Amino acid sequence: DTAVSQTPKYLVTQMGNDKSIKCEQNLGHDTMYWYKQDSKKFLKIMFSYNNKELIINETVPNRFSPKSPDKAHLNLHINSLELGDSAVYFCASSQSSGGDIQYFGAGTRLSVL
Amino acid sequence: GNSVTQMEGPVTLSEEAFLTINCTYTATGYPSLFWYVQYPGEGLQLLLKATKADDKGSNKGFEATYRKETTSFHLEKGSVQVSDSAVYFCATDLNFGNEKLTFGTGTRLTIIP
Repeated sequence: DTAVSQTPKYLVTQMGNDKSIKCEQNLGHDTMYWYKQDSKKFLKIMFSYNNKELIINETVPNRFSPKSPDKAHLNLHINSLELGDSAVYFCASSQSSGGDIQYFGAGTRLSVL
Repeated sequence: GNSVTQMEGPVTLSEEAFLTINCTYTATGYPSLFWYVQYPGEGLQLLLKATKADDKGSNKGFEATYRKETTSFHLEKGSVQVSDSAVYFCATDLNFGNEKLTFGTGTRLTIIP
C-alpha cells in the first residue's frame, strides 16, 4: 500500500484552465504539505495543514487553493493556470508539525501549454 | 529564517569512489538537519537525520555529522554504487513554532560503472 498517494501522476493542460491534484495518506498523520519543485529541482513548500487547519501558507498566488476535507486528504486546486505553474508538485505528510520526518508522494508533473 | 546551501551538481563518480556532498546551514536556535534522496521518477525519502550538535546520522552506508562549529552537515559515503544515482537534498527545520523544512537546491549524483 502506498503511504502517500497523489493523483494524477501527469497533468497536461492549457493556459487558463482550472485543475486539481489530489493527495491521500494512510499513515494516520496529522500534518500534510504541498511542495513545488521547479525545473532546476529547487523544492519549496507551499502549504501545510495540521488536522485540517492551515498552518503554513507561503507566498503563493491566490490562484492556488488547498482544501483538506479530513486529515488524511489534502487537495490542491489551481485556477487560471499559467505557464510558470509548470512544475512537479509533491504532497507530503508527517506525524505532527513539530519537525517530524516527512513522507513524500511520487509527485504530479504539471505541464501548462 | 533558516537557509541551506549545498554543493552544486551535477556530480559524476565511478563506482566504489568516495562521495562527499557539502551542506552548510544558517539557522537560529537548534534546528534538526536532514538528508533526503530522490530517486528517478520518485518522491523524496528521508535518508538520514541528526537532531543536535555532534550527532551522526547514518543509513545505507551514508553518514553525516551535525557540526555546530562549522554549521555543516556534509554527506559522505565510502564506496558508492550505481544504485546511489539520485538527487540529494540537504534540509533544516525551524526551531520553535511551526516547523517546516527548508531544502537546499539539490545535488544530482550519477555513478558510472
